[in-house]
Amino acid sequence: DAGVTQSPTHLIKTRGQQVTLRCSPKSGHDTVSWYQQALGQGPQFIFQYYEEEERQRGNFPDRFSGHQFPNYSSELNVNALLLGDSALYLCASRTDGSGNTIYFGEGSWLTVV
Amino acid sequence: ELKVEQNPLFLSMQEGKNYTIYCNYSTTSDRLYWYRQDPGKSLESLFVLLSNGAVKQEGRLMASLDTKARLSTLHITAAVHDLSATYFCAVGRDDKIIFGKGTRLHILP
Repeated sequence: DAGVTQSPTHLIKTRGQQVTLRCSPKSGHDTVSWYQQALGQGPQFIFQYYEEEERQRGNFPDRFSGHQFPNYSSELNVNALLLGDSALYLCASRTDGSGNTIYFGEGSWLTVV
Repeated sequence: ELKVEQNPLFLSMQEGKNYTIYCNYSTTSDRLYWYRQDPGKSLESLFVLLSNGAVKQEGRLMASLDTKARLSTLHITAAVHDLSATYFCAVGRDDKIIFGKGTRLHILP
């Protein structure tokens, strides 16, 4: 059983560009969340998707947007990249129900130059 | 605003010793998580604690939750080098999970 899978694993972008990161949740999971983890920091919640809708959002600007597809996979889009967007982006999934274990993918390392 | 504080942030300890990591949070929550992260890797789920007084153990790690004190602890018994990692606690409220800054644990042989 594949866990949470993310792509790409590493990428380098230039300031002002746009990036799309992809996530396939663990089999049977319908709820997907995205986190940003800067070097040496804890992950910060970006948003959560359930039933193809954004259900909750953290303190991130509108440059950060997302989407969930009918098969529960998800994308994170970041527009007008800034140097400060350089981080590890983690996707997490679980079945709906707040007490369930959350599983994280390996992440996508984004470097903005 | 929900805030999560861990201490200590850095911990260097000898193999065989016991130690405790503390996690305080600022408002009521319905669940608390502990995760482990190795350098350059993702987060590995260790424990999910859902109720006051909950205690869970796995190997040399034991986690507990006191919702009245808004405190969780992660206790390490007879530490071994393989437990060297960064440990995060995270608190859930509604559909958000808020993480602490992590405790970087280094166990010396």
